[in-house]
Order: sequence, then structure tokens, then C-alpha cells
Amino acid sequence: DTGVSQNPRHKITKRGQNVTFRCDPISEHNRLYWYRQTLGQGPEFLTYFQNEAQLEKSRLLSDRFSAERPKGSFSTLEIQRTEQGDSAMYLCASSLDAATNEKLFFGSGTQLSVL
Amino acid sequence: DAKTTQPPSMDCAEGRAANLPCNHSTISGNEYVYWYRQIHSQGPQYIIHGLKNNETNEMASLIITEDRKSSTLILPHATLRDTAVYYCIVRSMTETSGSRLTFGEGTQLTVNP
Repeated sequence: DTGVSQNPRHKITKRGQNVTFRCDPISEHNRLYWYRQTLGQGPEFLTYFQNEAQLEKSRLLSDRFSAERPKGSFSTLEIQRTEQGDSAMYLCASSLDAATNEKLFFGSGTQLSVL
Repeated sequence: DAKTTQPPSMDCAEGRAANLPCNHSTISGNEYVYWYRQIHSQGPQYIIHGLKNNETNEMASLIITEDRKSSTLILPHATLRDTAVYYCIVRSMTETSGSRLTFGEGTQLTVNP
């Protein structure tokens, strides 16, 4: 399967714990995005990388959230001191930097439940 | 990016065409109309996009009005597997613009047997 891969698919954690999610984009894609989605809502943008550079961050990305993309390949999203409000689906997407024809390819997401 | 308005839900009979409307009355000249869909428990999937002209691909057709203030996504022969939430997104595509997609709440399309 050469699509966007996210691990784990599900994560249950206790409030206050740290969690880390991983995203492996499609291999030749240089852009990588993180989104968050709560039940009944559309995905909300969190941040994006072009290669290893983090170019944009949403106000939703509080200081407890950090994302990295070392060497411009896979990416990790870490949430420190989780809160119940962090419970959501975390989606990763990748694309080629194709300007007017950019199409995002999404993974199946990591469902986080904070107890 | 311009805001879009979509009906919250629609139904369609299997085998019939599904026509999903989207209003984007504040769209500006450099903004494209994109459609994605999200099947339950999966990530969104790209369907089609366009600027002014109507577009067609293997999944769907996109009809954009001449004034660009609204568009319609057409699934010509809907199947049960087309049941999903469909998102209409207007996105600026200049080199200096952000690259985010701003999703609304979309239209829940239910295809009935």
C-alpha cells in the first residue's frame, strides 16, 4: 500500500499523559499536513510542512502540541499533558507541491481518547 | 479563503444522479473550488476541483456557474459506496497564499437502495 500511513489507529490515554502519533506520507510528496477532527465537524487545520520546514501553524496548535518532520520524510505529532478536550481524530495528509493542482491525500487517522 | 454554504444532508436513490450544491458567493478571482468526500471512519478523499470551466473526471463532474458564486458536484450514477460527507472548499492558489484547506461541515449524502 503506497498511501498515507498513520500509527497508531487508536490511542486511549489518561489525562495528563503524553502521546505521540506518527505519519508516513506518500514517498515522493514534499508537503505534509496535520488536521484534527471532532465528531460531526469537518477537519480543522493544525500545521503543515514543506520538506522539513514547518511553514504554518494554526492557533489551535497550543504550546502542548509539537510537530516535527525530520529529514522531510515521516512526521510526528506529540501532545503533552493531554486534556479531555484533545480527544479527536488526528488526520495526516500529504501532497506534491503542485501549486494550482495540489491534491491532498489523507491517511485514515489516529483516534485519540483521553480519559 | 471564501466561505461556502452546503445543505447539511441529502438523499439519493441508487443508480440515479446525485447533485450536490454549494454556494460560494464571496469567491474571488484566484480561488479554486475543491470537492472532497469522507466516508465513515476514513480520511477525506479528493474528488475534483476547478476554477471557471466545468470539469469531469472518473469520479464526478463539477459545474461552476458563470458568475462563480455557486457550483454543483454531480455523481452521475450514485452507488451505496458513495454514501459519505461531501465537502465543498474554496481555496486560494497563489504562491504566497497558505496551503490549508478549510473544511466546513459538508453535506451528508445518503444513497438508498
